[in-house]
Amino acid sequence: DSGVTQTPKHLITATGQRVTLRCSPRSGDLSVYWYQQSLDQGLQFLIQYYNGEERAKGNILERFSAQQFPDLHSELNLSSLELGDSALYFCASSAGHGTKEIYGYTFGSGTRLTVV
Amino acid sequence: DAKTTQPTSMDCAEGRAANLPCNHSTISGNEYVYWYRQIHSQGPQYIIHGLKNNETNEMASLIITEDRKSSTLILPHATLRDTAVYYCIVRNAGGTSYGKLTFGQGTILTVHP
Repeated sequence: DSGVTQTPKHLITATGQRVTLRCSPRSGDLSVYWYQQSLDQGLQFLIQYYNGEERAKGNILERFSAQQFPDLHSELNLSSLELGDSALYFCASSAGHGTKEIYGYTFGSGTRLTVV
Repeated sequence: DAKTTQPTSMDCAEGRAANLPCNHSTISGNEYVYWYRQIHSQGPQYIIHGLKNNETNEMASLIITEDRKSSTLILPHATLRDTAVYYCIVRNAGGTSYGKLTFGQGTILTVHP
C-alpha cells in the first residue's frame, strides 16, 4: 500500500457518459498529480494541484476537469466519454514543498476506465 | 526538463546484476536524476534519485558519471519480480521549485530464470 488511494479500481461506462475518479493523497502531501496511460501513449501528465490550487497543466482535454478539495483529496471528472478515453488513470502525490519533495511522487494503483 | 534516452529493452538472468543505462546529455545543474519502475499496469514505483554523487538504497544503486550526462541504475541481484518497465527521468529541482515528472518510453527489463 503506497498510501495513495484511488477509487474505483475499475470502471466500465458507455460513450457520451460522465465519470468521476477520486484520489486521496498520502498523509501530509499537498500536491496531487493526474496521469493517463493508454496502450499507445505511455504515461501522460494531465494536471497538478497544490493545496487546492491548480499548479500545472499538461495534455488535458477540455472534456476533462479536476479539482482538489480542502481535505486535499482530488477528483478527476471525465465527460462526453469517447472510446479513446479508455485508459489507466493514475494519481500521484508529493509533499509539494520542503525537503521531502525531493523524493518525488508516490503513485496510487490506478483506475482502469473502459469506455464501450 | 532534460530529455533522456534509454534502450527499449534489456534481458537479465535471475541472480545476476541488471545494469540499466540512461543518457541525459542536456541535463542542467539543478536537475536530479530519478528512476521509477512500473510492474505490469501497477502504479509507477520510486526507486532512487541522485544529483551528482552515487547513491545506494535497499532497492538499487545509482551511478552518475562525473559530467552528469549519463547514469546507470544497478539492481545487484535481479529476481523475476524485477521484471518491469524502468523509467529514467530528470527533474528540475532548483530552489524551491520542483518540476513535474515527465515519463518517456522507458526500458523493458525482463529477468529470466
